[in-house]
Amino acid sequence: DTEVTQTPKHLVMGMTNKKSLKCEQHMGHRAMYWYKQKAKKPPELMFVYSYEKLSINESVPSRFSPECPNSSLLNLHLHALQPEDSALYLCASSQGSDSAFNQPQHFGDGTRLSIL
Amino acid sequence: GQSLEQPSEVTAVEGAIVQMNCTYQTSGFYGLSWYQQHDGGAPTFLSYNALDGLEETGRFSSFLSRSDSYGYLLLQELQMKDSASYFCAVSGNRDDKIIFGKGTRLHILP
Repeated sequence: DTEVTQTPKHLVMGMTNKKSLKCEQHMGHRAMYWYKQKAKKPPELMFVYSYEKLSINESVPSRFSPECPNSSLLNLHLHALQPEDSALYLCASSQGSDSAFNQPQHFGDGTRLSIL
Repeated sequence: GQSLEQPSEVTAVEGAIVQMNCTYQTSGFYGLSWYQQHDGGAPTFLSYNALDGLEETGRFSSFLSRSDSYGYLLLQELQMKDSASYFCAVSGNRDDKIIFGKGTRLHILP
């Protein structure tokens, strides 16, 4: 069973569309993450939320907008994406975000995003 | 800079033992983790070493030597389902981020 749930599993959208990716965890974790992963590459960190506050933004373009409505939910709002944004988007959670508690990370199954 | 080095590919025979290495260079160190990822799937946590020595979980063992900035993942009694990519990851103290290696692709031959 996956303890981090992501929806949708697949998403195809045009470059002018607006969509959102959703992530939920009920492990009581205080840190949540968004990663982008291209084929045959490691996960690439995008954002970190710690105690519902954005703590790290890895210089991600503004067409990606994260939101953390509460300690269990994490959203990623998408707008005006480019074809190169097609990738697997992974959500993860950990007990905390500082170095002593940011592992292990529990990943969701991801959303496979295709931009037409 | 901060980096993790892993061999890009390893091939082994079903039923055998394989070791996948990871060397790291980071500004700080709290622990080394290993994640497995099958094609089309998500990374799955396998093990975490914060202290030197060997940790064993079933067919999987992970080793850490902090003085050598080195660790490895050992898989025994290899099965075809072990064919996957294996990433090592370090929790350092620079920006509190996890740093992933580029991963080792494990091929299992029958």
